[in-house]
Amino acid sequence: QSALTQPPSASGSPGQSVTISCTGTSSDVGGYNFVSWYQQHPGKAPKLMIFEVTKRPSGVPDRFSGSKSGNTASLTVSGLQAEDEADYYCSSYAGSNILLFGGGTKVTVL
Amino acid sequence: QLQLQESGPGLVKPSETLSLTCTVSGDSIISSSHYWGWVRQPPGKGLEWIGSIYYRGSTYYSPSLKSRVTISVDTSKSQFSLKLRSVTAADTAVYYCARQAVAGLNWFDPWGQGTLVTVSS
Repeated sequence: QSALTQPPSASGSPGQSVTISCTGTSSDVGGYNFVSWYQQHPGKAPKLMIFEVTKRPSGVPDRFSGSKSGNTASLTVSGLQAEDEADYYCSSYAGSNILLFGGGTKVTVL
Repeated sequence: QLQLQESGPGLVKPSETLSLTCTVSGDSIISSSHYWGWVRQPPGKGLEWIGSIYYRGSTYYSPSLKSRVTISVDTSKSQFSLKLRSVTAADTAVYYCARQAVAGLNWFDPWGQGTLVTVSS
């Protein structure tokens, strides 16, 4: 199993939207609705933002949304704010009790 | 409020065994809905799942680390532990423990603050 593929970087101006992709295969992202997204600020532990492709944990702003099409999952951050500048990681179940992470995407708020 | 805290040596010599413990507080480690997992992050790099354990002791490991990893649980102490054998400099990383959903090894939440382990002589 290989790591999921994310773009290294993405950016947007305050108030705009940014979408991050997470590409896998039919054996992981495409095969299960067990995709999660994490936000990580420098020097901090990751924070769960989206689970099971589209669900938001309590306390996560509804500016964050998730979706999936085929073997690619996406995280969209709408109404970008300065505090959204961080690294974002996706993860997916890959069957046989294996979990994969993406390589991470650095989001910059211009 | 559930909290997790990693503890263990911050420096390990090459070829030796890295040992870390995660202490769970604020809720029971005995949960039918959750696993307890370890994730690491080398400096400046991405997240890597190491493995997970159920309170009854069943374990799941990353294929790439399976030959060197053992995860165990002590429910009486509300702790679970990681041992990584034969370490090299490539094992230098921040090690996180976290609660994990059982279904599809789905999500990790919450996470411990992480502990940096450096492998060096």
